[in-house]
Amino acid sequence: NAGVTQTPKFQVLKTGQSMTLQCAQDMNHEYMSWYRQDPGMGLRLIHYSVGAGITDQGEVPNGYNVSRSTTEDFPLRLLSAAPSQTSVYFCASSYDEGRSEAFFGQGTRLTVV
Amino acid sequence: GENVEQHPSTLSVQEGDSAVIKCTYSDSASNYFPWYKQELGKGPQLIIDIRSNVGEKKDQRIAVTLNKTAKHFSLHITETQPEDSAVYFCAPQGGYNKLIFGAGTRLAVHP
Repeated sequence: NAGVTQTPKFQVLKTGQSMTLQCAQDMNHEYMSWYRQDPGMGLRLIHYSVGAGITDQGEVPNGYNVSRSTTEDFPLRLLSAAPSQTSVYFCASSYDEGRSEAFFGQGTRLTVV
Repeated sequence: GENVEQHPSTLSVQEGDSAVIKCTYSDSASNYFPWYKQELGKGPQLIIDIRSNVGEKKDQRIAVTLNKTAKHFSLHITETQPEDSAVYFCAPQGGYNKLIFGAGTRLAVHP
C-alpha cells in the first residue's frame, strides 16, 4: 500500500516555465488537497477536491491550476513559474468528512530561478 | 478567515521531561482538532486528534486536551525521548477536511 505518492521529489524551474506536480493515492480517498510550505511557516492550502470532477480554491490559489479526472490523481499545474513559488509542496488525501485523518505525501521541493 | 496561533515556536527539554504545546483558533465551526508531527524531509504525519464532543484523549505518552469554549487545544508529551524531536503542527479543520495549520513548534529533546 503506497499511500500518497508525489513526483518529482525535486525540481528546478526557470521563471516563466510551466510544469505539473503529480499526486496519486491508492486508498480510494474522496478528498485531496495541495499545500505549500515556506520556511518557518505552517502549510497553506492551495486547492482542494472533494471528489472526481470537483475542485475549489484554498487560501493561496493564484498561479496554480488543478483538475481531478479520477479519484486517484490530483495534479497541480504551475502555469508560469515565478520565484515566489519556490517552496515545498505537499499533497494530502483523506477519506471523507467523517473520517478526517489526512495522509500526506513526501513532498516536492521546487526552486524557481 | 480562520486564524490559528501556536505557542511556543521553539521548545527545548531534557529527555524524560514533559512538553506542552498550545494552539488557539478562531473558527467556532471547527470540530476536528489534529496534531501533526513533521520530521526533516518528510510530510506531516498525524499523531493524535480529538473531536469537539470530547475534552481529552490519550495515546500512551501523548495526549490532547480541548477547550472549545476558549477555542484552544493542547498537545502534551510525557517522558520525552530524543526521537520526539521534530516540528509539531496543530491544524484545526474546517469544512471539506480543509486544514488550517499553525506556524509550528520545533521541539528539541536533549539526551
